[in-house]
Amino acid sequence: EVQLVQSGAEVKKPGESLKISCEGSGYSFTNYWIGWVRQMPGKALEWMGSIYPGDSNTKYNPSFEGQVTISADRSITTAYLQWNSLKASDTAMYYCTIYYYGSTSLDLWGQGTLVAVSS
Amino acid sequence: EIVLTQSPVTLSLSPGERATLSCRASQSVSSYLAWYQQKPGQAPRLLIYDAFNRATGIPARFSASGSGTDFTLTISSLEPEDFAVYYCQQRSKWPSFTFGPGTRVDLK
Repeated sequence: EVQLVQSGAEVKKPGESLKISCEGSGYSFTNYWIGWVRQMPGKALEWMGSIYPGDSNTKYNPSFEGQVTISADRSITTAYLQWNSLKASDTAMYYCTIYYYGSTSLDLWGQGTLVAVSS
Repeated sequence: EIVLTQSPVTLSLSPGERATLSCRASQSVSSYLAWYQQKPGQAPRLLIYDAFNRATGIPARFSASGSGTDFTLTISSLEPEDFAVYYCQQRSKWPSFTFGPGTRVDLK
């Protein structure tokens, strides 16, 4: 069974760093792109960026470039979304999703990781 | 950059009624348009891909049509579990995707 399992909810203070994870199983990890999607409270889905673990090719939505870092560790079939200095406005649910080359839709999603940033 | 707009923002209906949701793209996306359903506290679920194809396990009451810039999702007869938020999505410059702002279908 293909699965994406995300790390648990986080509560952080502004200025702190954070790395959340998305572990893939049941498929060829290096042959699928992994994307990250943000959903702020009560708001729509926003595409943040994605990584191809096969060659670590990473593409960011310009709105998120420089604000987060997407990475992956092939040895443990896990992708990451990282912040160096969190802001209150980073409070959101974050989803990972996988897709293959040429995909036009996203049919497998992680369960989401809630990140709350508050002083 | 292609922008997706959805209408209406909210659709208030009763079980058994027909729901018609619209998604419009700022320029042609051919047939590369998908629809998702999201319930509170859940990840989005793919309903429709490539404009009109139902994803695996999606009931036949969900149908969709359109191409180019105008797309429609129809729920022929609303079931209680269909009250949710619906998003359209297009594949923008590879490997990125863009979502619409969503339509909430709530209980009248």
